[in-house]
Amino acid sequence: ELKVEQNPLFLSMQEGKNYTIYCNYSTTSDRLYWYRQDPGKSLESLFVLLSNGAVKQEGRLMASLDTKARLSTLHITAAVHDLSATYFCAALARGGSNYKLTFGKGTLLTVNP
Amino acid sequence: DTGVSQNPRHKITKRGQNVTFRCDPISEHNRLYWYRQTLGQGPEFLTYFQNEAQLEKSRLLSDRFSAERPKGSFSTLEIQRTEQGDSAMYLCASSSGGTGGLSEQYFGPGTRLTVT
Repeated sequence: ELKVEQNPLFLSMQEGKNYTIYCNYSTTSDRLYWYRQDPGKSLESLFVLLSNGAVKQEGRLMASLDTKARLSTLHITAAVHDLSATYFCAALARGGSNYKLTFGKGTLLTVNP
Repeated sequence: DTGVSQNPRHKITKRGQNVTFRCDPISEHNRLYWYRQTLGQGPEFLTYFQNEAQLEKSRLLSDRFSAERPKGSFSTLEIQRTEQGDSAMYLCASSSGGTGGLSEQYFGPGTRLTVT
């Protein structure tokens, strides 16, 4: 059974600082997703990573994938308050007759002025 | 708006009552998923439809839960005899049938259930 672990679970940063969120998954995965969730809201897709070495960037966020290490990272550059949210990684893998998304517990990011 | 929609957005019910939620997927999507998200956790898979066929159910889906997707369009998730542990956000997602299940899932806004 695929398990996804994120760390840290809580992250408090100052504006302007850099930090990385880590996502480990336990078995082979076909896709790796990063989502953002604001309080009481649904999931907003940020990135989908398809293959080893994939790197995607959008604004101050950059995601990468190392399939050999079963590790994805979400790097935050020069954080701003608007990035405060919960970030989830999710791995897509075949389980039974279907591909399933398995989510990590999420990282609650708070960016302080 | 052509995204996934869910109704109601919020539901407060007393323990023991039955509740039903509705999900309208993106119109051309033939795959539909239900997830449950409890406070401080990531979403957990509940069940999956391809067209009108329910192809998989998680062990999280107890006998009190039932989901349908008549005619392969909208879906309903019913919880009978609700318990306080059922309090959660129920998320629906849909995806296209291309690439055999690898297509990206698009999430609706969710229905937040509170059981008192």
